[in-house]
Amino acid sequence: AQKITQTQPGMFVQEKEAVTLDCTYDTSDPSYGLFWYKQPSSGEMIFLIYQGSYDQQNATEGRYSLNFQKARKSANLVISASQLGDSAMYFCAMENAGNMLTFGGGTRLMVKP
Amino acid sequence: DTGVSQDPRHKITKRGQNVTFRCDPISEHNRLYWYRQTLGQGPEFLTYFQNEAQLEKSRLLSDRFSAERPKGSFSTLEIQRTEQGDSAMYLCASSFDERTPGEARKTQYFGPGTRLLVL
Repeated sequence: AQKITQTQPGMFVQEKEAVTLDCTYDTSDPSYGLFWYKQPSSGEMIFLIYQGSYDQQNATEGRYSLNFQKARKSANLVISASQLGDSAMYFCAMENAGNMLTFGGGTRLMVKP
Repeated sequence: DTGVSQDPRHKITKRGQNVTFRCDPISEHNRLYWYRQTLGQGPEFLTYFQNEAQLEKSRLLSDRFSAERPKGSFSTLEIQRTEQGDSAMYLCASSFDERTPGEARKTQYFGPGTRLLVL
């Protein structure tokens, strides 16, 4: 069975600083994908970044980067230069060959001006 | 290109009534997924379709839940005899089955969700 753990229920970060959101996962599948989604108060899940289990390099998308440590089964999201609009819930998720996404419990990020 | 759309955005119903939600995926996407999200939790997978075929439905919460995608385009999720515990956000997502060498990548793009409140 797949499991995603996000140990930080809430995080504060000062505007313009970087923040790391933690995610650890557990799976026995050799092939899987890891995703991060942002969910503002409006409710829509917004795709941010993807990391494949066979990817050699850490994924980056603009201000988002994924610190993928396969041996430790962690896939932390790093947001650089935080903006007020980054305040939201952030979910880590994993997809395996079964095609369903398994989500963690989320981290609420609050950016302080 | 329009994203995934869901209708209605909000639904209030009385216990025991049936409700139906609609999802229109991104037009070229062949896969469609339904999730449920309760307050303070991450989304929970319910079922998914590839074209019109429902490939996984064992995660539907009870036999009161059913989903269809009759022509491989839009999908409906029906809950019969609603209960207060069905109150949640129902999310739809779609993806295109894009194969890359060595690993499949199928990013799921979500709609805005339907918030259901059962009184």
